[in-house]
Amino acid sequence: DTGVSQNPRHKITKRGQNVTFRCDPISEHNRLYWYRQTLGQGPEFLTYFQNEAQLEKSRLLSDRFSAERPKGSFSTLEIQRTEQGDSAMYLCASIPSGGIGNTIYFGEGSWLTVV
Amino acid sequence: RKEVEQDPGPFNVPEGATVAFNCTYSNSASQSFFWYRQDCRKEPKLLMSVYSSGNEDGRFTAQLNRASQYISLLIRDSKLSDSATYLCVKGGSQGNLIFGKGTKLSVKP
Repeated sequence: DTGVSQNPRHKITKRGQNVTFRCDPISEHNRLYWYRQTLGQGPEFLTYFQNEAQLEKSRLLSDRFSAERPKGSFSTLEIQRTEQGDSAMYLCASIPSGGIGNTIYFGEGSWLTVV
Repeated sequence: RKEVEQDPGPFNVPEGATVAFNCTYSNSASQSFFWYRQDCRKEPKLLMSVYSSGNEDGRFTAQLNRASQYISLLIRDSKLSDSATYLCVKGGSQGNLIFGKGTKLSVKP
């Protein structure tokens, strides 16, 4: 257990439904990242928060995706009108200020299956 | 072209074998490089950082060649428990990580 918590761990939803994932980072970490990993691929960067500010969004993050981090604590990733191509593992990671890749902590991921 | 490219494998090797993975990267502005290990349906976990001077941790040796934009991982005396996917990773400009597709290793008895 790295201290980064993600919920729900698994979600099966029908195409067209909305889903929301939550990430609770390590409390003193001010940077939070969302990644998506599909079968046979490495994790792909989606978006990044420093405290409550969303500083970067990947082109992978279509208009159906929205992420928030109110008060700079937990974060949510919402997918609206889900499509089968959204089926993936969604990973959250947190990192302390000034940290680099060897201080990044991943959650166990949230698996989404769109049927 | 992907920023980090790896041979996806799979590499099927017997126990005790030595296996080497290679990775190339683009955008040489990156200052930090890593190898991560990922078990099936689990989150990636840091295996080791990669330095130009080379980095050794037990049976694992990582090397970075900045001139050729090339990273390697050598596993000696492979164990059954080494079976996993090995992800080549470089640090991005926002502190994020940029992953390769991963190389799958299967160590057989």
